[in-house]
Amino acid sequence: GNSVTQMEGPVTLSEEAFLTINCTYTATGYPSLFWYVQYPGEGLQLLLKATKADDKGSNKGFEATYRKETTSFHLEKGSVQVSDSAVYFCALLDTGRRALTFGSGTRLQVQP
Amino acid sequence: DAMVIQNPRYQVTQFGKPVTLSCSQTLNHNVMYWYQQKSSQAPKLLFHYYDKDFNNEADTPDNFQSRRPNTSFCFLDIRSPGLGDAAMYLCATSRETGGGQPQHFGDGTRLSIL
Repeated sequence: GNSVTQMEGPVTLSEEAFLTINCTYTATGYPSLFWYVQYPGEGLQLLLKATKADDKGSNKGFEATYRKETTSFHLEKGSVQVSDSAVYFCALLDTGRRALTFGSGTRLQVQP
Repeated sequence: DAMVIQNPRYQVTQFGKPVTLSCSQTLNHNVMYWYQQKSSQAPKLLFHYYDKDFNNEADTPDNFQSRRPNTSFCFLDIRSPGLGDAAMYLCATSRETGGGQPQHFGDGTRLSIL
C-alpha cells in the first residue's frame, strides 16, 4: 500500500534559519507529491507540488524536489520567518487513486 | 475570494443528536471530498463524490453519510455523534481525480460533542 513518512516534530528554529523537513514515501504507481501547510485553526493550503521525477516544486521560498531514486520529497526553505510557524503535511496521490495519502505532519515553530 | 467554504466554522452538538456540516465551492470542480482530522493527526478520507458518483472509504463508519445535491454543495451528516467523532472536518475539491490534480481545502468545521 501507499504510505508517507515525515520527520517527527516539533521542529524549533530561530528566525532566518535554514529549514529541512524530511519526507519519504512508498507507492505502487507513479505518484504526484504535495506539501500542504496548516496554520492554527485553519484548513490545509497547498504549498507546492511535483508530478514526476526530478520536478522541483516551489512557492513562497519553499522548495521540494521529487527524487524517485530515494523516494523522497524533502521540504526546504533558506530563511524561515515567524509567520512560517505551522504544521506541514507531505502527501501523495497515486496513479488511479482519488484520495491523498498524508504523512503525520510536522509542526514547525519559528522563534524571533 | 474564498473558493471552498465550510459552514459553520465551529459546531457543538449533543451526544447522539444528528448534525449536518456543509461545504460549498465556487471552483466548479467535479470532485468533492470529506476528511476527518483528529487532534495532531493527519486528515483521513471519509468519502468523496465524483460528480454524483459516491465513493465510501472501506473503514468509514456507517454513522457518517453524505449528500451532494448539486455541483456546488456537499453535506456531511453524522446520524448519532459519539464522543469519538469530535474532530475537525475538512472539505476539499479537485477538478479531476489523479493526474497530479491538487485538492483545495476549506478552513474546516471543528465539531465538539457534549
